[in-house]
Amino acid sequence: ETGVTQTPRHLVMGMTNKKSLKCEQHLGHNAMYWYKQSAKKPLELMFVYSLEERVENNSVPSRFSPECPNSSHLFLHLHTLQPEDSALYLCASSQEPNLGTSGGWYNEQFFGPGTRLTVL
Amino acid sequence: KQEVTQIPAALSVPEGENLVLNCSFTDSAIYNLQWFRQDPGKGLTSLLLIQSSQREQTSGRLNASLDKSSGRSTLYIAASQPGDSATYLCAVHSSNTGKLIFGQGTTLQVKP
Repeated sequence: ETGVTQTPRHLVMGMTNKKSLKCEQHLGHNAMYWYKQSAKKPLELMFVYSLEERVENNSVPSRFSPECPNSSHLFLHLHTLQPEDSALYLCASSQEPNLGTSGGWYNEQFFGPGTRLTVL
Repeated sequence: KQEVTQIPAALSVPEGENLVLNCSFTDSAIYNLQWFRQDPGKGLTSLLLIQSSQREQTSGRLNASLDKSSGRSTLYIAASQPGDSATYLCAVHSSNTGKLIFGQGTTLQVKP
C-alpha cells in the first residue's frame, strides 16, 4: 500500500450504531488530519494530530471521537450520529518539521480516498 | 477570518480549449496555496503547491500563479482533455491559524 488509505470506503449506519473509520498513512509523516466534506460546502477541518497528540479540535461534536494510536494510524469513532453527519470523511497527512513551535501545519497535505458515510 | 472563493462554480468546455480557473482569498497572510483535483466520490489529489514567496508553479499542462498581495491565484490548463473533467479545489495555508482553508471548488467538464 502506498500513500494514504482509508477504510471502509462506504458506510451506512443507523443513528444508534457505533462504527469507526480507519486511516493509515505509508508516507512516514508526523501529522494527520480528519476533514469533513458535505454537499455544497467547502472541506472543513475536524481534527489534527501531531506526533500522536491531538492538537486541534475544530469545535466538533462529541459524537465524533478521534484516536491516534501511533503516527501511521488515525481512527474516527462514531456514535449516535445524526442524518446531517452524512458526508465524505477525508483523512490527510503531512510532514511538519516545526511541530509545536509555531502552532500550525504548513506543508503539503496528502489525502486518502475518503469514506462516504450515510446516516439513516 | 480567511475565506476562499472559486469562480466559476462550474465550467463546460470543448476538448482542446485552454482554460483558467480562478481562486481568491481574503487574507494575504498565507504560507502557501495548493490546487487539488477531486474526481466524483473520491479523495483529493494534490496538483500544485505554490509557496507564498513564489509567483507560479508548472506541472505538465498545468500552470498555477499566485498574486498574494491581491489575494488571487489562477490555475491554467492547456489543451484540455476529457480526462481533465473533475472538481478543482483551491486551498490556502493560513499563517494566522496554520490551517488549510478550502474553496468550494470549480467543477470542470471537458466534452470530447
